[in-house]
Amino acid sequence: KAGVTQTPRYLIKTRGQQVTLSCSPISGHRSVSWYQQTPGQGLQFLFEYFSETQRNKGNFPGRFSGRQFSNSRSEMNVSTLELGDSALYLCASSSVGVGTEAFFGQGTRLTVV
Amino acid sequence: GIQVEQSPPDLILQEGANSTLRCNFSDSVNNLQWFHQNPWGQLINLFYIPSGTKQNGRLSATTVATERYSLLYISSSQTTDSGVYFCAVEPDNYGQNFVFGPGTRLSVLP
Repeated sequence: KAGVTQTPRYLIKTRGQQVTLSCSPISGHRSVSWYQQTPGQGLQFLFEYFSETQRNKGNFPGRFSGRQFSNSRSEMNVSTLELGDSALYLCASSSVGVGTEAFFGQGTRLTVV
Repeated sequence: GIQVEQSPPDLILQEGANSTLRCNFSDSVNNLQWFHQNPWGQLINLFYIPSGTKQNGRLSATTVATERYSLLYISSSQTTDSGVYFCAVEPDNYGQNFVFGPGTRLSVLP
């Protein structure tokens, strides 16, 4: 079956702009979570959505937001981009979240210039 | 919050050697997974192992949840095993929010 699909794979944006990233989970999975990976901070949890509701949120500013649609696809949005937002953004899907195996997409590499 | 440590931070091996990677965590967890990050950034699932022992080919893993550690064994290493290995734990709370360790960077030399 198809894996987790993230689009776009690469993105270059200018400081101050906003960006939207998309994640399509494995068919039947209802939990989608997002992570940011930077050389300095490693992999950090952004938020998790389950059945269109945000269930958990990490320690990121309000410029980072997300949503989940009824088909479980999820988007994350970053407004007023800063240079420090340059990172690899990864999403993971799992059947119901808690205690179940998670599978990651290939990631979106965002560069802010 | 929960702390996750991995050791060693870097490991250099000759092809054919065996290795053990360790993950320590500071509190009880719902889930623990081991991943290998490929050169393009994708996290490849190795093991879903909240407790017990599993084997998959040359790789095996053991998690002792009561003592809060997990071990990843790589036998007869190959150059394709090179990369960064991450341990990720899901804290014992509501929702799935992995906390990742800092990773072990493995280099296997021919």
